[in-house]
Amino acid sequence: DGGITQSPKYLFRKEGQNVTLSCEQNLNHDAMYWYRQDPGQGLRLIYYSQIVNDFQKGDIAEGYSVSREKKESFPLTVTSAQKNPTAFYLCASSVLTSGANVLTFGAGSRLTVL
Amino acid sequence: KQEVTQIPAALSVPEGENLVLNCSFTDSAIYNLQWFRQDPGKGLTSLLLIQSSQREQTSGRLNASLDKSSGRSTLYIAASQPGDSATYLCAASRRDDKIIFGKGTRLHILP
Repeated sequence: DGGITQSPKYLFRKEGQNVTLSCEQNLNHDAMYWYRQDPGQGLRLIYYSQIVNDFQKGDIAEGYSVSREKKESFPLTVTSAQKNPTAFYLCASSVLTSGANVLTFGAGSRLTVL
Repeated sequence: KQEVTQIPAALSVPEGENLVLNCSFTDSAIYNLQWFRQDPGKGLTSLLLIQSSQREQTSGRLNASLDKSSGRSTLYIAASQPGDSATYLCAASRRDDKIIFGKGTRLHILP
């Protein structure tokens, strides 16, 4: 079955540590996205990538980094510079066609800073 | 800058009633609008997508409409069931651009 796999589902981090969240898709989608979700805040865009080896900052990129070395993979690193990293992180992908831009989401990763 | 607003933030209705969820957007030059459902602690599941050239889409008991001139989309749920309880989010996208989400409406169907 095609889909998006995020791992780990739950992650605990000590202050000052970097952590990397994995996102893999086998949908052959061109674009991939990372969103952060906090209670009452909705989804906020961190980074997005439309093609391999290229990515753009979203609305809240500070303290985060990404890479897009393969079409299937778009890992997100939460660095120690992110002051409030506890949140639910969602990865998505979409196909850029002339018809539509349909988002498909992974199940999410919940990060808690101890 | 595109802004997407969903009102109300929360809604409770008795089982069996028809209901409408609202989504408004500030930039009418959208490429498509997508409705999602999210259960607690889970990812988002796509419900319906309306392209800018369309006015509505239907799937089962769900019907979504789009009025670009007024900057509004609605999600109509017929004959609501307790299993419909979830948060519903809308997202507006421009071609080759980032996708902006509303904050969602938390729906609770009372048995």
